[in-house]
Amino acid sequence: AQSVTQPDIHITVSEGASLELRCNYSYGATPYLFWYVQSPGQGLQLLLKYFSGDTLVQGIKGFEAEFKRSQSSFNLRKPSVHWSDAAEYFCAVENQGGKLIFGQGTELSVKP
Amino acid sequence: SAVISQKPSRDICQRGTSLTIQCQVDSQVTMMFWYRQQPGQSLTLIATANQGSEATYESGFVIDKFPISRPNLTFSTLTVSNMSPEDSSIYLCSVEGGGSGDTQYFGPGTRLTVL
Repeated sequence: AQSVTQPDIHITVSEGASLELRCNYSYGATPYLFWYVQSPGQGLQLLLKYFSGDTLVQGIKGFEAEFKRSQSSFNLRKPSVHWSDAAEYFCAVENQGGKLIFGQGTELSVKP
Repeated sequence: SAVISQKPSRDICQRGTSLTIQCQVDSQVTMMFWYRQQPGQSLTLIATANQGSEATYESGFVIDKFPISRPNLTFSTLTVSNMSPEDSSIYLCSVEGGGSGDTQYFGPGTRLTVL
């Protein structure tokens, strides 16, 4: 069965530091992969997606993610974190039925 | 991307009552979905709202508890029936297709508290 694992429940980084959020998936075919962000009290906002092609995808707010088939990973990165990036981040894979399967989420805290 | 609104944004309800949540999209979309996000948890798909026919429910969710309507390509409702405190969650609708392309976009969510 398809699944998504985000190994880190909570991460704290200093403002201006780099960030990497991990995501591993289990899916038999070529996956459609997504990262969403949820700010407190808000819905989900799409950061970026991978369907095919270039394995390094750029998203909004300075985020990028790299698809690595050999590692079944789709890690999210940002070179310099801002205090406004504090939020919950969800990785998701879309299965053949068009349904999104979400990871458990990683809560990001940013230290001044 | 499509602009999605939900009503109400939040509500506090008594045990045993029902609440209907509305989801409105500013353009016609192919797919509409309803998710539940329990406190501190990830999102779980409740059902796919099918236009003109019965919704398709995921394992663990039933129509009697979560009746869904989708009368057209821009609107859907989810009712949480006979509520208990365990139904306290954020309920989100999402859309795909039409103006949204191949990506699911989410509404702002409805935060439900059941006393």
